[in-house]
This record gives sequence, C-alpha cells and structure tokens, in this order.
Amino acid sequence: EVQLVESGGGLIQPGGSLRLSCVVSEFTVSDNYVSWVRQAPGKGLDWVSIIYSGGDTYYADSVKGRFTISRDNSRNTLFLQMNSLRAEDTAVYYCAVGKGYETFDYWGQGTLVTVSS
Amino acid sequence: QLVLTQSPSASASLGASVKLTCTLSSGHSRYAIAWHQQQPEKGPRYLMKLNSDGSHSKGDGIPDRFSGSSSGAERYLTISSLQSEDEADYYCQTWDTGIRVFGGGTKLTVL
Repeated sequence: EVQLVESGGGLIQPGGSLRLSCVVSEFTVSDNYVSWVRQAPGKGLDWVSIIYSGGDTYYADSVKGRFTISRDNSRNTLFLQMNSLRAEDTAVYYCAVGKGYETFDYWGQGTLVTVSS
Repeated sequence: QLVLTQSPSASASLGASVKLTCTLSSGHSRYAIAWHQQQPEKGPRYLMKLNSDGSHSKGDGIPDRFSGSSSGAERYLTISSLQSEDEADYYCQTWDTGIRVFGGGTKLTVL
C-alpha cells in the first residue's frame, strides 16, 4: 500500500523559514512525478510545486523564488524548503505522487503551516 | 490561461445519482482532467483521469458507482447510488507543461 507521511509544519513568524518533508512508501519518488499542494483554511486545493522524474522543477507564481522542491532518492523522501514566509502561505500542505505525468494518484494526510506573529 | 470552473455546491438524495460539472477554459477543450474527492477532515483521494472522448481510468479501489464523461469543454463526474460517505468536496484538476491547475471545488451534500 502506497503511503505518504508529511512532517515539518508548525507556527512560524512572517519572514521565517520552514522545511517540510514527505516520506513515501511503496512508490519510488525518483521514477515518478511528485508535488506539493496546499489548502488554506476553508479554501480549495492550490498547486505549489512539482519535481519531474528527470529532475526538472516547476513552481506556482505565488511561491516562485521563495520555495524550493527537492528529493532524496536514497530516503525516498520529498522536501519543500519555504523561505520568506507570508501570512497567505498559511495552509495544510499535502504531498502527492503520480504514476504518470498528469495526475496525483496518491496523497498524504497533510501538515499544517501557520504563518503568524 | 488554463482555468477550470466548478459550481460551488450540489446536493442529491441518498440512493440517487448526481452529475458534477467541470468546465475547461476557452482554447483548452481537448484537455484531459482528473477528479479528486476530499471527505471532511481528510486528505484528497484520486478518483479518475477523464479524457476528452469520455474514456476514463479510475484509481485504486474506486467503486463502479463513480464514472466520468465528456462533452466539448465540459467534464462530468457521475456518482450513482449515493451513499452518506459520498458527502465531500470534489475537485477537478488538469495540467500543462510546468503547471498543475485545480478547479475551485464542488461541495456535495447528500440529503
């Protein structure tokens, strides 16, 4: 059974940094497409970033230049480094993996990031 | 610009059927989409990939009660024999090079 477990969320002041992790089981991160998706309180899903199997990375305009997606193939783990955090980054952050280019076949349960002074 | 539009809410009775709609923006009518379900207080769950010709492939363990269809720029999710656990938010999602896009979601209430 494919499992994704996110961690690293918490309360952080505006301008601060946080690193999220997502440990993936029964699914090889390096061979597939893995993403971060967030959901602000009471709002819909909002795509954040993706890393392709070949290593190419892409970001939503709202986080470009502030967030960095990466992976550790030996630990089958996905990361999201978030810098210069803003109040509007407050959300539950989900990692999601796709067997193919297009979809998110499996999702984690999310980790909450709260940006507030 | 690639945009997906969904109605904010829908409702149907227990045991009945409901058809949810996702509309692709102008110029993108041939794009495939995916449907995801999010039950209250849970992470999303992948339901299916739906192509412009109406063919679809479902995720692991998705019941036959869930099906998809297409017409022009519209993509549909039909849920038959509605059960209480189908009360959830439903999101459509699509993709292009370097981007992934979600619709605003439809909140389904089972009466």
